[in-house]
Amino acid sequence: QVQLQQWGAGLLQPSETLSLTCAVFHESFNTYYWSWIRQPPGEGLEWIGKIGRGASANYKPSLESRVTISVDTSKNQFSLKLNSVTAADTAVYYCARGGGITTSSFDYWGQGTLVTVSS
Amino acid sequence: QSALTQPAFVSGSPGQSITISCTGTSSDVGSYQLVSWYQQHPGKAPKVMIFEVNKRPSGVSNRFSGSKSGNTASLTISGLQAEDEADYYCCSYEGGSTFVFGTGTKVTVL
Repeated sequence: QVQLQQWGAGLLQPSETLSLTCAVFHESFNTYYWSWIRQPPGEGLEWIGKIGRGASANYKPSLESRVTISVDTSKNQFSLKLNSVTAADTAVYYCARGGGITTSSFDYWGQGTLVTVSS
Repeated sequence: QSALTQPAFVSGSPGQSITISCTGTSSDVGSYQLVSWYQQHPGKAPKVMIFEVNKRPSGVSNRFSGSKSGNTASLTISGLQAEDEADYYCCSYEGGSTFVFGTGTKVTVL
């Protein structure tokens, strides 16, 4: 069974950097893509970006200038950084397995982290 | 790169069948067999119900089925049950190694 456990700061001030990490408990870490997805309160899901083999990352174009997804294969972890946050970045952030071409769907998810941006 | 379009609300009585549409463009839904569907209950993480247009993951009821025609994908729930009441989202690969979700549909079991 694949398990994802995520953590990070839940309250940020405007202009700060959001930082979240997701640990994967499964031997499949090096053979899949791993994504970050967010959901503003009462709204829909938004794909943020993904990282996969060789640490190559891809991002939603409208967020690309502020987002960095990185991976630490020695710890089976991947991370999200989103800089210059505003209230519009307030959301539940999920890490998930998926985002490749052969494994495009998101089949395992973290528990979600509510990140609130407020002064 | 706009969100895929879904109806905001769909409802049905127990035992009935309902269909949720997901309309994209020739750059996403219309070009790839990489549409997936997710069920989300309040306060929970989404759960994949359909992947690659019409494939069901192990453990998902065969009451859920998917299809695609042109730029529109569809999720059909047959034999509607109270536990199917949830939000549903479609998702499509849109090229350039990126993905886009649908606007979401709230399913109500009357």
